[in-house]
Amino acid sequence: DAGVIQSPRHEVTEMGQEVTLRCKPISGHDYLFWYRQTMMRGLELLIYFNNNVPIDDSGMPEDRFSAKMPNASFSTLKIQPSEPRDSAVYFCASSFATNEKLFFGSGTQLSVL
Amino acid sequence: AQSVTQLGSHVSVSEGALVLLRCNYSSSVPPYLFWYVQYPNQGLQLLLKYTTGATLVKGINGFEAEFKKSETSFHLTKPSAHMSDAAEYFCAVRAASGSARQLTFGSGTQLTVLP
Repeated sequence: DAGVIQSPRHEVTEMGQEVTLRCKPISGHDYLFWYRQTMMRGLELLIYFNNNVPIDDSGMPEDRFSAKMPNASFSTLKIQPSEPRDSAVYFCASSFATNEKLFFGSGTQLSVL
Repeated sequence: AQSVTQLGSHVSVSEGALVLLRCNYSSSVPPYLFWYVQYPNQGLQLLLKYTTGATLVKGINGFEAEFKKSETSFHLTKPSAHMSDAAEYFCAVRAASGSARQLTFGSGTQLTVLP
């Protein structure tokens, strides 16, 4: 299995631009999580899905952030408009219902100038 | 709600020495506890987990952790450090009951292994 695949690996954009991060979970996994990692705040859960349905989005910082999971093999996290304080590493992770193990992607390093 | 405190943001040990990374948790319900490791420019990988049963849990790469309910602790140990153990380690918790699946992570401990 290829593992959780995230793209792009790095994204540099200017303030005000729209940013879309992509994630392909491991086939068969029914949970998908989006985390953000910064030096100041550590690892924060933004949102998670179960069977493509958003279950808890209380970690989404504000309306500029949105996430979708149109099918079991694809999810996006969108920031519109982006701000410098959104600069972070964004991780996608997936898991299977009966297994407590999270599988993380390699992350997207986002820099908003 | 659950939370995790990792004591020591940086720990340095000599190669071959004991590794001890501390984690204390707070949970109003029985917890599931985890240790994850993150190597540079990579995502997190599960080292070990405690859900039910034996309180001493063995994981990959020679690491183990012991769930101590009376101390609300889940410290990670390895008898002999190897250079390849240098990484950042995260303790995490979630409620054992209920439908919530999200993990709450600690702030991480950066482990340096000295030659």
